[in-house]
Amino acid sequence: GQNIDQPTEMTATEGAIVQINCTYQTSGFNGLFWYQQHAGEAPTFLSYNVLDGLEEKGRFSSFLSRSKGYSYLLLKELQMKDSASYLCAVRDSNYQLIWGAGTKLIIKP
Amino acid sequence: TAGITQAPTSQILAAGRSMTLRCTQDMRHNAMYWYRQDLGLGLRLIHYSNTAGTTGKGEVPDGYSVSRANTDDFPLTLASAVPSQTSVYFCASSDRPSTDTQYFGPGTRLTVL
Repeated sequence: GQNIDQPTEMTATEGAIVQINCTYQTSGFNGLFWYQQHAGEAPTFLSYNVLDGLEEKGRFSSFLSRSKGYSYLLLKELQMKDSASYLCAVRDSNYQLIWGAGTKLIIKP
Repeated sequence: TAGITQAPTSQILAAGRSMTLRCTQDMRHNAMYWYRQDLGLGLRLIHYSNTAGTTGKGEVPDGYSVSRANTDDFPLTLASAVPSQTSVYFCASSDRPSTDTQYFGPGTRLTVL
């Protein structure tokens, strides 16, 4: 079966750095996405990785290792508005997105 | 631009009744998707459409039907609602189904009693 694993919840302090991990086992791999979802709102696109390595976009970076079935999202200089759920999704061999359950990130002052 | 709109925002429905959730996009995207999101679970694909006139089944299609008469609209119909269909429903679209990022509508919160 296909599986995406993420921690259910994480807590971090404003101004700090947090790393949210995602491991996956899917039938094929055609890219990995990270989305942000604030409570009661729609998911919004953050990043996309299809090759191994680090993709940096402002305060957010995403890393991929295809051989390990592993990705992480790194958030720097945390702000209160970063309190949200972060969803990891893998595009499989049928080009469908398989979604993790999401990691709820709580930022404390 | 509006992007993707969904209606209604929320609905309470009696079991056994039918309902159509509406989704409209103004980005001229080729592909559209319907997902449901339940607490503790990832988004699950219900149905999708890679281009106008075609539809396909996702992971959890039972109890739902869709149509894609034109590029902009992708309604989701529950023929006879059951309590297990209580969920938040998201519509999404992408320009190219196999390679592009999906963009989401604001969602419809449906409660079936």
